Formats: sequence, structure tokens, C-alpha cells
Amino acid sequence: NAGVMQNPRHLVRRRGQEARLRCSPMKGHSHVYWYRQLPEEGLKFMVYLQKENIIDESGMPKERFSAEFPKEGPSILRIQQVVRGDSAAYFCASSPNSQFSYEQYFGPGTRLTVT
Amino acid sequence: TQLLEQSPQFLSIQEGENLTVYCNSSSVFSSLQWYRQEPGEGPVLLVTVVTGGEVKKLKRLTFQFGDARKDSSLHITAAQPGDTGLYLCAGARSGGSNYKLTFGKGTLLTVNP
Repeated sequence: NAGVMQNPRHLVRRRGQEARLRCSPMKGHSHVYWYRQLPEEGLKFMVYLQKENIIDESGMPKERFSAEFPKEGPSILRIQQVVRGDSAAYFCASSPNSQFSYEQYFGPGTRLTVT
Repeated sequence: TQLLEQSPQFLSIQEGENLTVYCNSSSVFSSLQWYRQEPGEGPVLLVTVVTGGEVKKLKRLTFQFGDARKDSSLHITAAQPGDTGLYLCAGARSGGSNYKLTFGKGTLLTVNP
């Protein structure tokens, strides 16, 4: 399966804990995007990363949220001290290059539930 | 402010019927994507349109990008139960931030056998 992979698919955290969401882009893709889908809302852009670089994090909350895409390994979206409002589906997408960065392929998502 | 309005929000039809769903905006997009999302899964890219007036066909699905690149439509001919899902449109702005897709809330289509 050469598609975008995300894990875990479901994650339950208590308030105050940390959540780590992982994303492996499609083979040959070096651009990664994270989106959040809240109930009754559309997908919202959070952050755009290339290997070892954060290109645009304008959609990410300024506190508690961080993202990285290291030289080796998957991209990680990290949420510290989770609150109930962080409960959502988090999707990762990838594209092959900047020329076609609008053509994004999505993973199956991680459903985060904060209790 | 939601930049992309999709209509209708819900659509329930019988197998074999035709349907059209719409994606409208007051903003101009350099490209527009249509996705289908099933429960518990991520959006699956169906098509990208980039030229005003462009029409693309994918089997029984026909996608059109408006001349002014502000709106798009998806027409399904002879719908089948397998077409059931949430249809999302997403627009990319021109310029350096064309990676930042703006999504509509979607049209939830149910095709009854």
C-alpha cells in the first residue's frame, strides 16, 4: 500500500495528557500537510511541512500544538496538555512537489477523543 | 467566514437517478479539487480542475469549473449505492499559498437501492 499512512487510527487521551499523531506520506512525496476536521465543520488547514522544515504553520494554534517532519521517519503532530476541544479527526495529506501542492492525497485520519 | 458553500447539504435519491451538487464562492481559485469521503476514512481525491470552463469526466461523474473559477459542479449520472458518501470541494488560491486548501462542508449523498 503506497498511500498515506496515519497512526494510530483512534486515540483516547485524558485531559492534560499528550497526543502524538504520526503520518507517513505517499511514496515519493516530500510535502506534508495537516488538517483538522471538527464535528459539523469542514477540514481546516493547520500546517505545511517539508523535510526538516516548517513552511507554513499559520493554521495551527499557537500554544500546545507543534509539528515536525524529520529527515528520517514520519511527520509528527504533537498536542500537549490536551483539552476536550481538541477532540477531532486529524488528517495528514501529502503531495509530490510544490508545483502541484494543491493536489493533495489524504490519509485515513486519526480520531482523537479527549475524556 | 466560509469561502466555499456547498449545496445541497444533504441529498437522498434512488438508484438510477441523476443528480448535481454545487460548490460556490465569491473568491477566485486557481484550482479546485473534488473529494469523496466515507465514514471513518479520509477524503479521496476524485479530480482537479484548473482552467475556467473546464469539464472533466470520470466514468459517470462529470465535473465542471466555472468560467470565472469561482464555482464548480459535480453531476452524477445513474447514481449507484456505491456513490454514497460525503462529497467535498476544496479550492486553492493562486500565488505562493496554493497548498492551503479551503474546504466546503460537503454534500452528504445517500443513494438508496
